Amino acid sequence: SYELTQPPSVSVSPGQTASITCSGDKLGDTYVSWYQQKSGQSPVVVIYQDNKRPSGIPERFSGSNSGNTATLTISGTPAMDEADYYCQAWDNNVAVFGGGTKLTVL
Amino acid sequence: EVQLVQSGAEVKKPGESLKISCKSSGFDFATSWIGWVRQMPGKGLEWMGFVFPGDSDTRYSPSFQGQVTISADKSMNTAYLQWTRLKASDTAMYYCARRLGPGDPFDYWGQGTQVTVSS
Repeated sequence: SYELTQPPSVSVSPGQTASITCSGDKLGDTYVSWYQQKSGQSPVVVIYQDNKRPSGIPERFSGSNSGNTATLTISGTPAMDEADYYCQAWDNNVAVFGGGTKLTVL
Repeated sequence: EVQLVQSGAEVKKPGESLKISCKSSGFDFATSWIGWVRQMPGKGLEWMGFVFPGDSDTRYSPSFQGQVTISADKSMNTAYLQWTRLKASDTAMYYCARRLGPGDPFDYWGQGTQVTVSS
């Protein structure tokens, strides 16, 4: 079965840029979405179709996807972005989530 | 306003059956895919499957095929997730989420239903 690999944790200082990677075989050949999940809340999509932001998502969130790696970038990271982040892709109409990355802002 | 409202928390014993629901409003339920996602305590998101209420087409993750049943009643704008015999390992938070079509994300999520299975 298809697998997506994320680093378990990433740390960033407030105001700096955070990058979270997601790796999978030929991942660049499919669309990737990214979800933010804060403690005790439902997930929220922050990036879809590799690099599109839904309405209401701040411009500091951006995405890219090429080769075997997709990347979520958060510019000028505020403390409020501390959360778990999950990548998601499709494999033969089966949704696959990455294992999640805990972003710590400190 | 798009809304997915899930049924309340459940506490069940091993071997019991259960059906939880996800009532949708604010969009064309029949032409969207409604998926279910499991999150075990302290763990990540796992896609279980989804249903297309328009024709009841249903797809399952291989990990959940045969373990649960996903269905929908388009007259009620409601999707369901069902177990016939619960196990302690089914203890988790379950989310429903909407996808419009191929290449689209899960753009709206329910608030989650906590299922606890314990003797």
